Amino acid sequence: GNSVTQMEGPVTLSEEAFLTINCTYTATGYPSLFWYVQYPGEGLQLLLKATKADDKGSNKGFEATYRKETTSFHLEKGSVQVSDSAVYFCALRRKGNAGNMLTFGGGTRLMVKP
Amino acid sequence: EPEVTQTPSHQVTQMGQEVILRCVPISNHLYFYWYRQILGQKVEFLVSFYNNEISEKSEIFDDQFSVERPDGSNFTLKIRSTKLEDSAMYFCASSLASGGANEQFFGPGTRLTVL
Repeated sequence: GNSVTQMEGPVTLSEEAFLTINCTYTATGYPSLFWYVQYPGEGLQLLLKATKADDKGSNKGFEATYRKETTSFHLEKGSVQVSDSAVYFCALRRKGNAGNMLTFGGGTRLMVKP
Repeated sequence: EPEVTQTPSHQVTQMGQEVILRCVPISNHLYFYWYRQILGQKVEFLVSFYNNEISEKSEIFDDQFSVERPDGSNFTLKIRSTKLEDSAMYFCASSLASGGANEQFFGPGTRLTVL
């Protein structure tokens, strides 16, 4: 079946540090890949997405590249801010008529200190 | 900006009681979903709903669960007889279309505590 594995947190960084949150997946076919972010007290918000191999999703300084050969979709940001403190979820969805359900990883809490 | 809303934000109930969690999806969306997250665990898919019927459900979504769109705006999740292990954060989501990379917009969640 489909599954997503992401690094366990919490990840604690100082402001302006480089961020990487690893995400790998197992899926049949070529799913669409997503990163969602959950700020304290809020719902899940789509951060970025990629729909095919070698696509790079980017938003708010965050990037992730769909790597078919390593089945990975690692999240990166060059310089984090305190406001980036949140829980980040990697997710996949099968394509076509195979259903709309998202399969999530366990989430990684990021804490950025001033 | 349109958003998905959920009520209540926190529901406390006794084991064996029925609960109804309510969601108002984005108004022009056609696909609706429930997910849940038990504390410290993954966000898990429960059910998807389209054209007034369930289109997909997970093994978690057993006979104790049901969904309904009673009035064209609300989308509800009912748990008939709650168990302790139903304690979780329940997220509603909606999307305009299916397939491709159509974004699912999530609500803020309802925290259900079963005592």
